[in-house]
Amino acid sequence: ETGVTQSPTHLIKTRGQQVTLRCSSQSGHNTVSWYQQALGQGPQFIFQYYREEENGRGNFPPRFSGLQFPNYSSELNVNALELDDSALYLCASSFWGSSGYTFGSGTRLTVV
Amino acid sequence: DAKTTQPNSMESNEEEPVHLPCNHSTISGTDYIHWYRQLPSQGPEYVIHGLTSNVNNRMASLAIAEDRKSSTLILHRATLRDAAVYYCILRPSGSARQLTFGSGTQLTVLP
Repeated sequence: ETGVTQSPTHLIKTRGQQVTLRCSSQSGHNTVSWYQQALGQGPQFIFQYYREEENGRGNFPPRFSGLQFPNYSSELNVNALELDDSALYLCASSFWGSSGYTFGSGTRLTVV
Repeated sequence: DAKTTQPNSMESNEEEPVHLPCNHSTISGTDYIHWYRQLPSQGPEYVIHGLTSNVNNRMASLAIAEDRKSSTLILHRATLRDAAVYYCILRPSGSARQLTFGSGTQLTVLP
């Protein structure tokens, strides 16, 4: 059973640019969530996708958007990057309605 | 979502039991108590969850107070690999809602 894989592991972008982060769900999981974790803080929920539609969103602006594909993999897109977007971005997958989430190791994004 | 309160940090000696407390005085009847941990440079990892009764698995035990206003994660024999941030999270039963993380407890295990 494969876990959740995220790519890339590290990324450096310039303020104002756009970035796409990718996530492959654990086998058998149909729900994907994305979290942002700033240094020294707990992860903060960005949004969740189920059946290729967003079905929950945290307190993040519209320039944070996502996609879920038929194979349940997912992308997180961030437009007009700001310095405060520098963080660890975590992807988590689960089976709809189940108790546990499986997290990837994250993508460390640095905006300069 | 109901709020949880955890100590910022705790220390334990290797090979000794560790009791990590969590207060959740506003817990509702349908809230499950979940614990995740995050090792350095990794994503959070599911540890255990429960509703009313104490729970055991290969990683840990979860002791839930009778009034459910607090719970304790028990690591029976701490190892250096257990050094991590431990998060106590409340999640409604049957919900597909997200996990709401607090700041967690940083556990240091001393050799």
